[in-house]
Amino acid sequence: QKEVEQNSGPLSVPEGAIASLNCTYSDRVSQSFFWYRQYSGKSPELIMSIYSNGDKEDGRFTAQLNKASQYVSLLIRDSQPSDSATYLCARGGATNKLIFGTGTLLAVQP
Amino acid sequence: KAGVTQTPRYLIKTRGQQVTLSCSPISGHRSVSWYQQTPGQGLQFLFEYFSETQRNKGNFPGRFSGRQFSNSRSEMNVSTLELGDSALYLCASRPREVGANVLTFGAGSRLTVL
Repeated sequence: QKEVEQNSGPLSVPEGAIASLNCTYSDRVSQSFFWYRQYSGKSPELIMSIYSNGDKEDGRFTAQLNKASQYVSLLIRDSQPSDSATYLCARGGATNKLIFGTGTLLAVQP
Repeated sequence: KAGVTQTPRYLIKTRGQQVTLSCSPISGHRSVSWYQQTPGQGLQFLFEYFSETQRNKGNFPGRFSGRQFSNSRSEMNVSTLELGDSALYLCASRPREVGANVLTFGAGSRLTVL
């Protein structure tokens, strides 16, 4: 079992819809979780971090964390074609290194 | 404020050669991490340096090595290149060793091994 698992997609949603990206992790001691966005040919950029159970909202983005279920998700409201990218889920641990999932490709259709 | 700078951006090598990649972190950042990104494996952690010391190491063979200089700039070296080493090598920095694991990535060095 991979430490951080994501559906590779592609996840296709129409413009204006809610995109839901999911991630599960196997290490119960993980305390920090991150969502990075990576456009094709570019480097990853941080869009959300979450450390506590529950929801965290930032603009059109909402991160959700459920440590009991070892599950973290990212919701993108009012999806735009410019949101089309690969979304990488990562978890941090005691050693400070980040473990990434392989990413979910999101395609927002105009 | 300049971001993380990686050089070279693109390079082509042949099997058996070696390569050195360079990374300059954001000014004031003392921690530098290296990741390898391939289509099949995604982003995989190589190593992390802080104050010229390797603090963490991923599961890569000894052909992969790195170092950090007193000005926080870092280099990674891959010796005896193999075809499977073709990848995007990403460097990331953060301001301090302990605390939030927020990494800022550079643009990457894309290595092709022929």
